[in-house]
Amino acid sequence: EAQVTQNPRYLITVTGKKLTVTCSQNMNHEYMSWYRQDPGLGLRQIYYSMNVEVTDKGDVPEGYKVSRKEKRNFPLILESPSPNQTSLYFCASSLSARGGPFYGYTFGSGTRLTVV
Amino acid sequence: DAKTTQPNSMESNEEEPVHLPCNHSTISGTDYIHWYRQLPSQGPEYVIHGLTSNVNNRMASLAIAEDRKSSTLILHRATLRDAAVYYCILGRFGNEKLTFGTGTRLTIIP
Repeated sequence: EAQVTQNPRYLITVTGKKLTVTCSQNMNHEYMSWYRQDPGLGLRQIYYSMNVEVTDKGDVPEGYKVSRKEKRNFPLILESPSPNQTSLYFCASSLSARGGPFYGYTFGSGTRLTVV
Repeated sequence: DAKTTQPNSMESNEEEPVHLPCNHSTISGTDYIHWYRQLPSQGPEYVIHGLTSNVNNRMASLAIAEDRKSSTLILHRATLRDAAVYYCILGRFGNEKLTFGTGTRLTIIP
């Protein structure tokens, strides 16, 4: 089944403890992206990647890192999480970076992160 | 980026058609109109997209005004499973970014 898989689904952590949220897609998609969703603010893009080793900042990149060493994986790294990063996170992928929205995005099921 | 305006919420009766409006008065000639929906506790899912002509697929229809400044997503026969937040988004071909607003929360009344 074609899908975007995120892990974990739920995570509670303490301030300052580094964590990684994994994202993997099995559709050979070029484009991958991370969003966070907060009440009243909708989905906001954190980082995106147009292909292997090509990443760029979205609208709210502060406090996050990403890497794209393989086409299928796009992990989101929080080096020193803070309570304001408590949110629902979604990974998305699309067939072609050049025509991303045209092909439609496939989203993962989300990771609910709580930082205390 | 061109923005879209949608009502915060709408209600509809089960088994009746639903018309979800979207205004995008600053749309440019190369902007596609995309609709996604987000069911409770799930990630957004693609519904439909179009440029100028009306579009149909198995999920919905998209009616685009002649001046392209507004569009309407049509669910022909709403079911309880259609209760979701619906997002209308403008996306430029060749630009991979999608900017989501807060969407319309659709409630289906049994």
